[in-house]
Amino acid sequence: GAGVSQTPSNKVTEKGKYVELRCDPISGHTALYWYRQSLGQGPEFLIYFQGTGAADDSGLPNDRFFAVRPEGSVSTLKIQRTERGDSAVYLCASSRQQNTEAFFGQGTRLTVV
Amino acid sequence: DAKTTQPPSMDCAEGRAANLPCNHSTISGNEYVYWYRQIHSQGPQYIIHGLKNNETNEMASLIITEDRKSSTLILPHATLRDTAVYYCIVRVANDYKLSFGAGTTVTVRA
Repeated sequence: GAGVSQTPSNKVTEKGKYVELRCDPISGHTALYWYRQSLGQGPEFLIYFQGTGAADDSGLPNDRFFAVRPEGSVSTLKIQRTERGDSAVYLCASSRQQNTEAFFGQGTRLTVV
Repeated sequence: DAKTTQPPSMDCAEGRAANLPCNHSTISGNEYVYWYRQIHSQGPQYIIHGLKNNETNEMASLIITEDRKSSTLILPHATLRDTAVYYCIVRVANDYKLSFGAGTTVTVRA
């Protein structure tokens, strides 16, 4: 596809469970970002990858959150021991380089019950 | 520590120009003004950005005041599909983060 693809589009999980959210960036984009958006608010930065490495993970709220990008393309955001407060839309974006236009996916809506 | 201030909401008529204001009175000399919008249930979409000169593309025009403390995004002929939340963001040129505020919810009415 031409755009950033995120799967699943919706995920409902029980409190305490582990979830993985996937992001397929635009081919050739070296920079990849994860953001989180709570209802009624703007997206908040979580983590930035340049290639395979996490260049900045300062936005991850705590150590239950982890993200990987092992081959410099697809990225997975992993959340352990989910809590109801983790419910939000998780957005992924990619860009050709770190300071060029970022293209966002449609997000994964995570609901923790 | 929001760097920009936008009105929470505004209405505009279909076919008319929509003028979206943004205040960024503490902007630094090396910070650009970016605009993104987010249509319901979609991810944010880049619209335009500028440093100090006015900019225009196929989507919109960006007018930045001479002192760079405020700017206006202009949608020349608003359509119903322009209904969205519009975010004004200031960012250093080589930065990778986008710091979104609450934005302006724009409703285009027929």
